[in-house]
Amino acid sequence: GQNIDQPTEMTATEGAIVQINCTYQTSGFNGLFWYQQHAGEAPTFLSYNVLDGLEEKGRFSSFLSRSKGYSYLLLKELQMKDSASYLCAVLDSNYQLIWGAGTKLIIKP
Amino acid sequence: DTEVTQTPKHLVMGMTNKKSLKCEQHMGHRAMYWYKQKAKKPPELMFVYSYEKLSINESVPSRFSPECPNSSLLNLHLHALQPEDSALYLCASSQDPPGGAETQYFGPGTRLLVL
Repeated sequence: GQNIDQPTEMTATEGAIVQINCTYQTSGFNGLFWYQQHAGEAPTFLSYNVLDGLEEKGRFSSFLSRSKGYSYLLLKELQMKDSASYLCAVLDSNYQLIWGAGTKLIIKP
Repeated sequence: DTEVTQTPKHLVMGMTNKKSLKCEQHMGHRAMYWYKQKAKKPPELMFVYSYEKLSINESVPSRFSPECPNSSLLNLHLHALQPEDSALYLCASSQDPPGGAETQYFGPGTRLLVL
């Protein structure tokens, strides 16, 4: 079966750094996405990794290791507005997005 | 511009009503998607249109009927829905159909309540 695991909830402090992990087992791999979703709103695209390594985009970075079936999203200089759910999604061999359940990130002052 | 628009934002309907959800994008994207999302769950794919043709139907009940009038518009026609169909309905588009450039951009969603 296809499976994507990420922690259900994480808490971090404003100004700090947090790493959200995602492990996956899918039938094929054509890339991994991270999306941010605020409560009641649509997901917004954060990053796409298809090759191993780190992709940096401002305060957000995403890392991929295909051999380990592992990715993480790193958020630096946390702001209160970063409180949201973070969804990991993998494109499988049929080019369909397989979604993780999401990680709810709570930022405290 | 990565904007996908959806109307209406909110919809309340009875089980005997017929209504339609609308989605529009002007980015020249060739694939459009309908997702259903229940609270605290990830989006569930319903339909994919590639080049205005239905390419994926994820065994969705016939009370949901998609339509793609042109390359910029995607509709979802609703008829005889059940209360368990209440959810956030998300439209998304991507530059290429599945197999190409895959980043999907989402609209704000329509929050549907079926009474």
